[in-house]
Amino acid sequence: EVQLVESGGGLVQPGRSLRLSCTASGFTFGDYAMSWVRQAPGKGLEWVGFIRSKTYGETTEYAASVKGRFTISRDDSKSIAYLQMNSLKTEDTAVYYCTRLAAAQFDYWGQGSLVTVSS
Amino acid sequence: QSALTQPASVSGSPGQSITISCTGTGSDVGGYNYVSWYQQHPGKAPKLMIYEVYNRPSGVPDRFSGSKSGNTASLTISGLQAEDEADYYCSSYTSSTTYVFGTGTKVTVL
Repeated sequence: EVQLVESGGGLVQPGRSLRLSCTASGFTFGDYAMSWVRQAPGKGLEWVGFIRSKTYGETTEYAASVKGRFTISRDDSKSIAYLQMNSLKTEDTAVYYCTRLAAAQFDYWGQGSLVTVSS
Repeated sequence: QSALTQPASVSGSPGQSITISCTGTGSDVGGYNYVSWYQQHPGKAPKLMIYEVYNRPSGVPDRFSGSKSGNTASLTISGLQAEDEADYYCSSYTSSTTYVFGTGTKVTVL
């Protein structure tokens, strides 16, 4: 059974940093791209970014709203994907979902981790 | 990249059919057969319902179907059931090698 479990969320002040982790199980982690999607309170889904598999160079792509501030990485030996968030803004407040990216669809989702950016 | 356009709400009675539209541009929906649809119940994570325009993952009822014409994709729910009441989002791959979601549609079963 595929499982994705996010951790690391919480309350952080504007301008500070936070790192989310996504621990995967139930599939060969290294074979898949991994993506992050967020949802602000009461709002819709927003794609954040993704990291390709090692086969494709572990290259990354990001939404314009987070490019230059957020970094996605992965550790295939531990089956973990990370989302490093720097220079956080109040508008980054959201539930952050880790997803598996199979071809061009987000086929499995974690339960989400709430990040609140507030002073 | 602007969000894909969906109607804010759609409603129907049990047993009826409803269709949700998802309008983009030639750089996303119209340019690729990489449109997917997600169902989200309150307080839950989204669930993949349709991928690559019209394919259903294992376990998704065949009441759910997808299609595309030009820059607009559609999700049809036939034989609407109470448990179909949820938010639905479309998503598309884009020419910038990124992804974009739709604005979301709240489906109400009357």
